[in-house]
Amino acid sequence: GAVVSQHPSRVICKSGTSVKIECRSLDFQATTMFWYRQFPKQSLMLMATSNEGSKATYEQGVEKDKFLINHASLTLSTLTVTSAHPEDSSFYICSARDSQGAQNSPLHFGNGTRLTVT
Amino acid sequence: DAKTTQPPSMDCAEGRAANLPCNHSTISGNEYVYWYRQIHSQGPQYIIHGLKNNETNEMASLIITEDRKSSTLILPHATLRDTAVYYCIVSPLNTDKLIFGTGTRLQVFP
Repeated sequence: GAVVSQHPSRVICKSGTSVKIECRSLDFQATTMFWYRQFPKQSLMLMATSNEGSKATYEQGVEKDKFLINHASLTLSTLTVTSAHPEDSSFYICSARDSQGAQNSPLHFGNGTRLTVT
Repeated sequence: DAKTTQPPSMDCAEGRAANLPCNHSTISGNEYVYWYRQIHSQGPQYIIHGLKNNETNEMASLIITEDRKSSTLILPHATLRDTAVYYCIVSPLNTDKLIFGTGTRLQVFP
């Protein structure tokens, strides 16, 4: 089945530094990928839609200059949390759908990245 | 905003069927019903989806009412490993976005 890989699975960084998270579709191509954030005991919140070869689309209230998204190829999207602060500590999850699959084919999710900012 | 309503939590005995309800009374004609689950500290796992017909796969069955205003996910023989948060999501065909609600926390006990 379709596999989405995220890296790293866990990262600890100091306040003020930047962190890059990678999301790869391993056995399919994805023109669109999605980035979610999840705080403890809460549901997933969609942050942005990553579009291959063009700018990402951000959900209301998500700072595009803080959460930089790059989707340079059909199998890789990256999320960079810039100037991280402790309140950015969260579980970040990406997802993707096979671009060549059926229109109603399901999204597949990575296993998430636990970011802790100290 | 999520367009679905689910009970916050449910319990199920191991080996018994788990029936998870979902209300989506404002569903539109072109919207599919998707079910995902999230085991603690992992990404969501796709379970099943449907439009109006009942669906079955190796993981579960999805029963959608004739008026499509509600559905039930059935895990026929729940195991301890089925303990997770189950999300019911409606999504139109012309968008890739999935908006998650609060889901149902299913606890399977021995």
